[in-house]
Amino acid sequence: SQTIHQWPATLVQPVGSPLSLECTVEGTSNPNLYWYRQAAGRGLQLLFYSVGIGQISSEVPQNLSASRPQDRQFILSSKKLLLSDSGFYLCAWSAGSTAGNTIYFGEGSWLTVV
Amino acid sequence: AQKITQTQPGMFVQEKEAVTLDCTYDTSDPSYGLFWYKQPSSGEMIFLIYQGSYDQQNATEGRYSLNFQKARKSANLVISASQLGDSAMYFCAMREGGDNDMRFGAGTRLTVKP
Repeated sequence: SQTIHQWPATLVQPVGSPLSLECTVEGTSNPNLYWYRQAAGRGLQLLFYSVGIGQISSEVPQNLSASRPQDRQFILSSKKLLLSDSGFYLCAWSAGSTAGNTIYFGEGSWLTVV
Repeated sequence: AQKITQTQPGMFVQEKEAVTLDCTYDTSDPSYGLFWYKQPSSGEMIFLIYQGSYDQQNATEGRYSLNFQKARKSANLVISASQLGDSAMYFCAMREGGDNDMRFGAGTRLTVKP
């Protein structure tokens, strides 16, 4: 069966520091990969998605970036964090882009920028 | 434009009773998928149930069923025999054919009372 893991689970970072959140999917190949952000009490906002190695699409302009160095690895980064980057970040995967492809989420990472 | 609408910010239900969480959607694509997710306080988004736009019958998964009314563009989640562990945020989501994103509603917070 397929599993998805992301880490770290909790992060407290000072303003201006770098960020790296990592996500790995097991049990499938060539998945679509996603990074979502959820602000407190809000819905989910798609940040990045990737349909293949090195292929990254950004949905929202920001100081975050994403990379996919391997087929089942997705990394969310920032060179300098802002206070507004605080939130709950979720990595996710799906088998494809059709209407019937379920998106499955990781455990999430709580980021607090202080 | 808002594509997924959940009009109930919060709902209460007595343990062992059934509860319906409302969801309406807007799309002109004939091919789409409707999904429900549960988000407990831990933050993980747990996939519950899926309904395809061409499915003739309402989807069911254990105690979860989806009341799909295509003409009304509604996809309500019904939870039967509520348990204390059902207390969580519930999100309705839609994926259109060929769309790399899944649109989420604002969520409904369900509280199950003992």
